Amino acid sequence: DTTVKQNPRYKLARVGKPVNLICSQTMNHDTMYWYQKKPNQAPKLLLFYYDKILNREADTFEKFQSSRPNNSFCSLYIGSAGLEYSAMYLCASSSYWGVEQYFGPGTRLTVL
Amino acid sequence: GQQVQQSPASLVLQEGENAELQCNFSTSLNSMQWFYQRPGGSLVSLFYNPSGTKHSGRLTSTTVIKERRSSLHISSSQTTDSGTYLCALELDNNNAPRFGAGTKLSVKP
Repeated sequence: DTTVKQNPRYKLARVGKPVNLICSQTMNHDTMYWYQKKPNQAPKLLLFYYDKILNREADTFEKFQSSRPNNSFCSLYIGSAGLEYSAMYLCASSSYWGVEQYFGPGTRLTVL
Repeated sequence: GQQVQQSPASLVLQEGENAELQCNFSTSLNSMQWFYQRPGGSLVSLFYNPSGTKHSGRLTSTTVIKERRSSLHISSSQTTDSGTYLCALELDNNNAPRFGAGTKLSVKP
């Protein structure tokens, strides 16, 4: 099974409220990634886990948190949603660095 | 500066014409993957191709490391090929794949 699952598929959030998005994979992949995709823009890497080590991009360091309680699950957490967080959030996994990525269907977040 | 550049930014074809999409990169490559982006935003993996040539139906991907480029060739285009094509690369000086800006393809009947 090469499926990456994301929950929920659609999320409506209020400004100032927290948001937690979930990603799971059963391929025993070491690395899991989160990307943000806005209309007419390329997907932007937010952060990734290699095993238990979290790497966050410098320009989004303070905006997103993540946890990986076990190899299969990875969350993306927004402490206080703003309108600018409205986007598609894509989760991906790979067995290691520098190899093929498998993407989930995405979670569309709308912040009102 | 830009480490990954996709060209053209947009392309309009008549059905049946061929398309050649390019992804150029500035440093050594660890991984290269081509994606088709569905209208809703989800991604379909077309090729994982860090070097050499791969074929899938009407699609061909060729990555030439020493020339620092990868191409996606679509032959006999169809209206259903319309959409955005993205390349994602992990460069030698990075630690995770990053995307090019994409090529928006429109195939007219």
